[in-house]
Amino acid sequence: GIQVEQSPPDLILQEGANSTLRCNFSDSVNNLQWFHQNPWGQLINLFYIPSGTKQNGRLSATTVATERYSLLYISSSQTTDSGVYFCAVASGNTPLVFGKGTRLSVIA
Amino acid sequence: GAVVSQHPSRVICKSGTSVKIECRSLDFQATTMFWYRQFPKKSLMLMATSNEGSKATYEQGVEKDKFLINHASLTLSTLTVTSAHPEDSSFYICSAPSAGRYEQFFGPGTRLTVL
Repeated sequence: GIQVEQSPPDLILQEGANSTLRCNFSDSVNNLQWFHQNPWGQLINLFYIPSGTKQNGRLSATTVATERYSLLYISSSQTTDSGVYFCAVASGNTPLVFGKGTRLSVIA
Repeated sequence: GAVVSQHPSRVICKSGTSVKIECRSLDFQATTMFWYRQFPKKSLMLMATSNEGSKATYEQGVEKDKFLINHASLTLSTLTVTSAHPEDSSFYICSAPSAGRYEQFFGPGTRLTVL
């Protein structure tokens, strides 16, 4: 099955700093999603981005499908950005396969 | 985006009892839903694929008699944890793709604690 690797596993940032999270995957996909899991466990959809670039406020994401990776950019980080960020991929309507996540801590 | 709900959000039960978790697609129909389990500080692991009107497909290592799945309508799938034990304590999350889209939408999750 598809393998998903996220890096770094842990990240500590000073408030206001920028960061880049990476997701590598092992096979062709037609679904790639980025999530932020909040302290209550809810998965917040950040981006549906099987290819191309999208931006939403301070967050943006780029997926280069031919090279099998995706990047999530967080600019001007805030303490509320803390939590776990997951990348998940799938082919067709198959279940999403999740990476192990990046645990982000933003300190004031 | 499409909305998926789960009920209950949190349940505490005694060992040996059965617990039913509901997953509903509120504003779209879902012929397929997925059930995941997440242990503390771990990633989400797929348990099973729920198919409307037919049997669920279970991942390797997941006991189908332990985790009963019923997908009786286009908007509702249920997961019943039978004869629950403390090792079944976990966070259970369902998801569904909206019709005609690959993007999947997740419920808020159910935290199960078995005493």
